[in-house]
Amino acid sequence: AQKVTQAQTEISVVEKEDVTLDCVYETRDTTYYLFWYKQPPSGELVFLIRRNSFDEQNEISGRYSWNFQKSTSSFNFTITASQVVDSAVYFCALSGGGADGLTFGKGTHLIIQP
Amino acid sequence: GAVVSQHPSRVICKSGTSVKIECRSLDFQATTMFWYRQFPKQSLMLMATSNEGSKATYEQGVEKDKFLINHASLTLSTLTVTSAHPEDSSFYICSARGRGTEAFFGQGTRLTVV
Repeated sequence: AQKVTQAQTEISVVEKEDVTLDCVYETRDTTYYLFWYKQPPSGELVFLIRRNSFDEQNEISGRYSWNFQKSTSSFNFTITASQVVDSAVYFCALSGGGADGLTFGKGTHLIIQP
Repeated sequence: GAVVSQHPSRVICKSGTSVKIECRSLDFQATTMFWYRQFPKQSLMLMATSNEGSKATYEQGVEKDKFLINHASLTLSTLTVTSAHPEDSSFYICSARGRGTEAFFGQGTRLTVV
């Protein structure tokens, strides 16, 4: 069975601080995909990134960066110089690909204070 | 990215009535659609997976007679909550995947049963 653990239920930081959201996953699949989504109060899911299990390169997109480490089954997400607009719930998710749906973590509620 | 439209975005219904939620892929053919449920301040849980033209596959613990899923065309899937009760109040969100593509999420439907 697949499992995604986001141990941080809520994180509160002051604007401009860097913040890292942790994600640890479990799967028996050799091929799988990892995702991060942002969910603002309106509820829609905003896609941030997808990573396949064969690509361990870290990725940077503006203020966002992701660190994928297969050895520790982790896929952490860092926001640099946080802004109030970054406040939301962030979900890490895992899929086996094919016709598999996503297994979500419980989410981390990120609060950026001005 | 591809567009998935979910309708309605909000619905309030009386206990005992049925509610239909539509999920449409607007610019691609969705061979697979997924339905998720999210209780307040909780994670998203996969309810069922449907492939066009075939019966949906429900996750363990999801009542198939209560949550009727139809995927009659490559652009439309519907979720009908039958004989809704207050405990069915939740946020329902669909996602759609085409051949060789990732899954894209709809905007979600907030169902309140009174």
